[in-house]
Amino acid sequence: GAVVSQHPSRVICKSGTSVKIECRSLDFQATTMFWYRQFPKQSLMLMATSNEGSKATYEQGVEKDKFLINHASLTLSTLTVTSAHPEDSSFYICSAPDRVGTDTQYFGPGTRLTVL
Amino acid sequence: GDSVTQMEGPVTLSEEAFLTINCTYTATGYPSLFWYVQYPGEGLQLLLKATKADDKGSNKGFEATYRKETTSFHLEKGSVQVSDSAVYFCAQEEEGKLIFGQGTTLQVKP
Repeated sequence: GAVVSQHPSRVICKSGTSVKIECRSLDFQATTMFWYRQFPKQSLMLMATSNEGSKATYEQGVEKDKFLINHASLTLSTLTVTSAHPEDSSFYICSAPDRVGTDTQYFGPGTRLTVL
Repeated sequence: GDSVTQMEGPVTLSEEAFLTINCTYTATGYPSLFWYVQYPGEGLQLLLKATKADDKGSNKGFEATYRKETTSFHLEKGSVQVSDSAVYFCAQEEEGKLIFGQGTTLQVKP
């Protein structure tokens, strides 16, 4: 099946700094990617839909200036957590469908962010 | 809004036991329904799906039937193995987006 990678897998940063997380589709092109946040023992919550060549679409309650998304190519989307605070500590996961119109998504392994 | 509710875990079973993980959904339309599995240290993987009422999705011995009348999509397996230990997520698709349940941890003991 299709493969999605994320980098880094784990990151620890100081409060006030910014952190960039990469999501790559390794063997397919993705015009759309999705970013989720998962709290411990809780569900995945969709944060935003990343669209190649256009602005991301954010879910209600997600600060777009806080979570910057850039989908610069058909295989790469980045999520930048700006001015991170301890409450931003979470598990961030991306996903992508391997072709337009399919309802099946492929997930990255996730990035554990810890803000001190 | 649309939502997915699944039974709380953790679920602990002995090898070869029968597994049921309940999942119900609320939706204005007739969404596609999914079960995803997350093995330790790995990303979510699609386990099975069903796109319309009465469809049965199946994979690796797991089954789930799309029940419109009860708005349910319960996951079942007749005989679990230790290797089935993972977190299972029920989900529905809404306009291309996935809405997940809270996940159910399954632990199978030898």
